[in-house]
Amino acid sequence: AQTVTQSQPEMSVQEAETVTLSCTYDTSESDYYLFWYKQPPSRQMILVIRQEAYKQQNATENRFSVNFQKAAKSFSLKISDSQLGDAAMYFCAYRWETAQGGSEKLVFGKGTKLTVNP
Amino acid sequence: GAVVSQHPSRVICKSGTSVKIECRSLDFQATTMFWYRQFPKQSLMLMATSNEGSKATYEQGVEKDKFLINHASLTLSTLTVTSAHPEDSSFYICSAAGAGNTIYFGEGSWLTVV
Repeated sequence: AQTVTQSQPEMSVQEAETVTLSCTYDTSESDYYLFWYKQPPSRQMILVIRQEAYKQQNATENRFSVNFQKAAKSFSLKISDSQLGDAAMYFCAYRWETAQGGSEKLVFGKGTKLTVNP
Repeated sequence: GAVVSQHPSRVICKSGTSVKIECRSLDFQATTMFWYRQFPKQSLMLMATSNEGSKATYEQGVEKDKFLINHASLTLSTLTVTSAHPEDSSFYICSAAGAGNTIYFGEGSWLTVV
């Protein structure tokens, strides 16, 4: 069964500093997608970044980047120049493709609560 | 970009009544939508996969008769909590798959059963 593990229930970072959130996953699939979602107090799920497993290059989105290690099944999120607005719950998620294609369900980690200190 | 809208954002209902939550894809067609439940300080738990034109697929442990899902069109899925009880109070959120295999989430719905 596919599982996603976030080993850090809480993390804190100083404003303008860099923080890395950890995520590991377990799968026997070869084709899949990995995501980081941000959930602020409003509970809206906001897509931060996504990575296709077949791509070796790590995804980046402005201040957000990932370190994708497929062999190690690791997918960490690095937030550079942290801002107060980055404070939120961060969920790592995994999705795989079936042989028939199309979308499949997301499996989430338990989340990491990020606090940004001014 | 793609938007998924969920309504109502907050609802209070009396114990024993039913309440319906709608999930709409606003600018794309979604043959598959997903319903999640999130307990306080916990992750999202997938309840069911809503399939347009066919029966929903429920996750293990989710009561089909209590959480009725209907996906009557390519842009609308509904979740009806029947005979609601206080323990059904929770945050419910839907998602839909858009172009490029990206999953988009609705704003979520807070249900309080009194």
